[in-house]
Amino acid sequence: KNQVEQSPQSLIILEGKNCTLQCNYTVSPFSNLRWYKQDTGRGPVSLTIMTFSENTKSNGRYTATLDADTKQSSLHITASQLSDSASYICVVSAITGANNLFFGTGTRLTVIP
Amino acid sequence: KAGVTQTPRYLIKTRGQQVTLSCSPISGHRSVSWYQQTPGQGLQFLFEYFSETQRNKGNFPGRFSGRQFSNSRSEMNVSTLELGDSALYLCASRRDRDGSYEQYFGPGTRLTVT
Repeated sequence: KNQVEQSPQSLIILEGKNCTLQCNYTVSPFSNLRWYKQDTGRGPVSLTIMTFSENTKSNGRYTATLDADTKQSSLHITASQLSDSASYICVVSAITGANNLFFGTGTRLTVIP
Repeated sequence: KAGVTQTPRYLIKTRGQQVTLSCSPISGHRSVSWYQQTPGQGLQFLFEYFSETQRNKGNFPGRFSGRQFSNSRSEMNVSTLELGDSALYLCASRRDRDGSYEQYFGPGTRLTVT
């Protein structure tokens, strides 16, 4: 069964600190993995996309890693800012299938001053 | 290039009523998907339309329906509203149905059922 699991469910950190969010998946055949940031009451916005052959991809203070062998991904946020407070959603795409997008339930990150 | 737009942004309805939400995809995108998002539930897939045909459907009752027009714009309809239908409804578009294409989300329609 194709699934995407994220951890932790929620996280509170102090401004300026780093944090790492996890995503484990069982989607097959794997096409790509995306991390989205969703501010409260808004639509998700893509942060990074990684294909099978990519191990690391950065977007400013956001760095995503992918281990296709263990089917794990992480999103590392460096020097957190108050504006990083949001939900972070991991989405895994399969190559084929009528339904080829699988969503994690997200990690709710709160950055406090 | 304009992003995905959804109208209205906010809506308040009473139980038993019906509602229609609208989504305009990014120009050139032919696939439109709809999601329901409630606190703690994450994004729940409703359905996907491609070339005016429903290609995939999630696990929602028949009260939830949709359609897509020849210009790729899509509407979603919910009949006989229930309190549990209160949610953020997100529309997303992508150029094609292949999983390699990125999906772009609209800002959502916040529906409140009283």
